[in-house]
Amino acid sequence: GENVEQHPSTLSVQEGDSAVIKCTYSDSASNYFPWYKQELGKRPQLIIDIRSNVGEKKDQRIAVTLNKTAKHFSLHITETQPEDSAVYFCAASLIGGGSQGNLIFGKGTKLSVKP
Amino acid sequence: NAGVTQTPKFQVLKTGQSMTLQCAQDMNHEYMSWYRQDPGMGLRLIHYSVGAGITDQGEVPNGYNVSRSTTEDFPLRLLSAAPSQTSVYFCASSAAPQGYGYTFGSGTRLTVV
Repeated sequence: GENVEQHPSTLSVQEGDSAVIKCTYSDSASNYFPWYKQELGKRPQLIIDIRSNVGEKKDQRIAVTLNKTAKHFSLHITETQPEDSAVYFCAASLIGGGSQGNLIFGKGTKLSVKP
Repeated sequence: NAGVTQTPKFQVLKTGQSMTLQCAQDMNHEYMSWYRQDPGMGLRLIHYSVGAGITDQGEVPNGYNVSRSTTEDFPLRLLSAAPSQTSVYFCASSAAPQGYGYTFGSGTRLTVV
């Protein structure tokens, strides 16, 4: 089955700096890669996602890149702000793929943005 | 439109007790799933359902049962609670095709003593 590795487990940056979180996946059939943000005590919320037919996607200060050959994808946050502080999870799945359609998550990255 | 609703928000159980965690969605989503979240472990899939009457096991199904009699509801049953089941439980749903656009409930924090 799919296995998702996420690094680093903790990341501390100064406000205004960029943050990068990296994930690798094992199942080459996976074609959907979402990123979730979870604030303390809250539910995970989808912030951006990418499908395997796209190499990069951007939404304001957030971007995700995908390298299908290397089976890794990354989240980039530019001009970080204190409100970006949260735990970020990457995930992978095969859309419409039966049991492979289940989201398999990385273990999370705790991002701290210092003012 | 309430989205995905989970009850209760908090629960304390004694070892050996049973209980049901409720999950309901009003978005007519076919796919529903249960995850548990433990510190440093991310979100791990317990059980999932691709439609009413159809359920299957995820990564960590032992000690849990599910059923899906309607599209809206997907309860998770703990048969005989153990301290190892202390966790935060999240229900999620998505419209077909499965695997895209998941929405999570607000979670149930369960403590087994």
